[in-house]
This record gives sequence, structure tokens and C-alpha cells, in this order.
Amino acid sequence: AAGVIQSPRHLIKEKRETATLKCYPIPRHDTVYWYQQGPGQDPQFLISFYEKMQSDKGSIPDRFSAQQFSDYHSELNMSSLELGDSALYFCASSLGLLGVGKLFFGSGTQLSVL
Amino acid sequence: DAKTTQPTSMDCAEGRAANLPCNHSTISGNEYVYWYRQIHSQGPQYIIHGLKNNETNEMASLIITEDRKSSTLILPHATLRDTAVYYCIVSYNFNKFYFGSGTKLNVKP
Repeated sequence: AAGVIQSPRHLIKEKRETATLKCYPIPRHDTVYWYQQGPGQDPQFLISFYEKMQSDKGSIPDRFSAQQFSDYHSELNMSSLELGDSALYFCASSLGLLGVGKLFFGSGTQLSVL
Repeated sequence: DAKTTQPTSMDCAEGRAANLPCNHSTISGNEYVYWYRQIHSQGPQYIIHGLKNNETNEMASLIITEDRKSSTLILPHATLRDTAVYYCIVSYNFNKFYFGSGTKLNVKP
């Protein structure tokens, strides 16, 4: 079965550079979520989109932005990168927002800021 | 914010049942109990979820107390590959899907 696809798997950037992470949800899933997991930390919710509209916002820095496109894939854009942005970034998808279903996670993008 | 309390870590012998408890005393009537696990920095993996009744699937069983204030995830025959961090999450809406600290399960030979 198709899963949530994230690209790239690994990304190395310098401080103050920009990065773009991509997420392709499971086919027919209309909702996408982004999480950040720092070293030794638990996943923290960043932002979510339902039907291409932002549906909720968590602890996402102003330097980050995201959007969901017409084919439901999503991109997380990160500017003015800082050392503290080094983390695993997970994308998840679901069919709708309600908790009657399941939330499926991708394998993540490991971002290293040097 | 996470509304669950779990032990920081637990050990289990290979082949034995692993029983992972979770306290969610402030759970609301429409909130589900979800269990996910994360194996060494991989993406969190869905295990099971339930509302009121006990649930079983090919991976695990979920026992929810009658007052719904706590639950137990049961892995019937733990293997070394079940070593992971297990997260108990209560939510009615995936926008409020907050990970707490989880339980680090160590399965030992």
C-alpha cells in the first residue's frame, strides 16, 4: 500500500540558507500535518492543512511557511536557517481531520544545519 | 498539549507479553485513545486506537477502563523488534494530536 512520501530523506544546509521539504500524502488523503522532532525530543506539531487551507498552527517559527497544493502535496519552506532547526521533520496525512480514522506518518527528512 | 501520563521506560523479556499503561484522567467523551510507536527515529507507526470498547488487531490489544481514565496497550508476544518508544495520545481531532513523552520499551533476550 502507498505510504506518505517525504523528500529529501537527508538535507544539509548552512546557517542562514533556505530549505524546502516536500510531502506527498497517501492517495485520497486531503489533510497534511508537519511535525518537528529535535534530538532526543518528542515530535512537536508545526502546522496542518485541510483541503489546501491551513487548518491549525502549532509552534512553527515565523521563518517557516508551508502550503498545500491542488494535488494535496505539501511543502515546508524554511528560511534563515539556524543551528537549532536541525531536526527530523515528519509529515503525516489523514482523510479528514476527525479522529475516527488514522494518522499516517512518513519516514521523515533529517535536516542538519551547519 | 499532551494529556497523558506514561512511565518513562519499561523492560520486557522476549516472548512475554508487554503491558504498557497510560493515564488520561481528563479525557473527554468524544476523544479517542491512540497508540503509536517510534522505532529509532523512524516515522511514528500506528498501532491501535479505541473509544470505549477494548480493541484487538494483528499488532496489539487495547484495554480501556470503564471510566476511560486509563488504558493499557498489550503486545502479546514481544520481540526484539518491538523495542521502541510507545506513545499514548488522546484526541478527537488530528489537529490536536500531541505527543507526550512516551514509554521507552526495552525488549531483552
